[in-house]
Amino acid sequence: EVQLVESGGGLVQPGGSLRLSCAASGFTFTSYAMSWVRQAPGKGLEWVSAISGSGGSTFYADSVRGRFTISRDKSTGTLFLQMNSLRPEDTAIYYCARGTGDYFSSSGFPFSDYWGQGTLVTVSS
Amino acid sequence: EIVLTQSPATLSLSPGERATLSCRASQSVSSYLAWYQQKPGQAPRLLIYDASNRATGIPARFSGSGSGTDFTLTISSLDPEDFAVYFCQQRRSWPITFGQGARLEIK
Repeated sequence: EVQLVESGGGLVQPGGSLRLSCAASGFTFTSYAMSWVRQAPGKGLEWVSAISGSGGSTFYADSVRGRFTISRDKSTGTLFLQMNSLRPEDTAIYYCARGTGDYFSSSGFPFSDYWGQGTLVTVSS
Repeated sequence: EIVLTQSPATLSLSPGERATLSCRASQSVSSYLAWYQQKPGQAPRLLIYDASNRATGIPARFSGSGSGTDFTLTISSLDPEDFAVYFCQQRRSWPITFGQGARLEIK
């Protein structure tokens, strides 16, 4: 059974940092691209960042580029999102999501077929 | 950035009725469009990918159609569990974008 379990959310002051983790199990981790998608309270979905199965290709939304870093550890099957210089507008539930396959430049980044339950990040003084 | 506009914002129907939700892209996304369902307090669930392919385990009453800039999600006969928010998403070009969502509510 595919499982994705996020952790690391919490309350942080503006300008602070957090590191989100997503523990993956039930599938061959390196064979699938992964993404982070966020949802501000009562709002829609916003794609944040994505990474290929090998970790060799990474992508960011303009709103987080230069502040957030996505990475993955194949030895533990864990996806990460390092978030620095946090702003109040980063407040949201952060979901990790598995792609339907790996990323290939010829076919684009896959849609997400499994999602974690999300972890809440609140940026406030 | 490709903007996805969903309509209507809210659709009020009764169980057993047919639901039709629309997603329009600001430029062509070919067939690289997906539909997700989200219920309160839950993560999104993939329903349809690449415009018309049902994801694993999705009931046959859900169908998707369209290509280019205009797409439709149809639920042939609404089940009480189908009342939720629906999002479309494109993967044709970076950044990946979602529609603003459409709420399907019980009339």
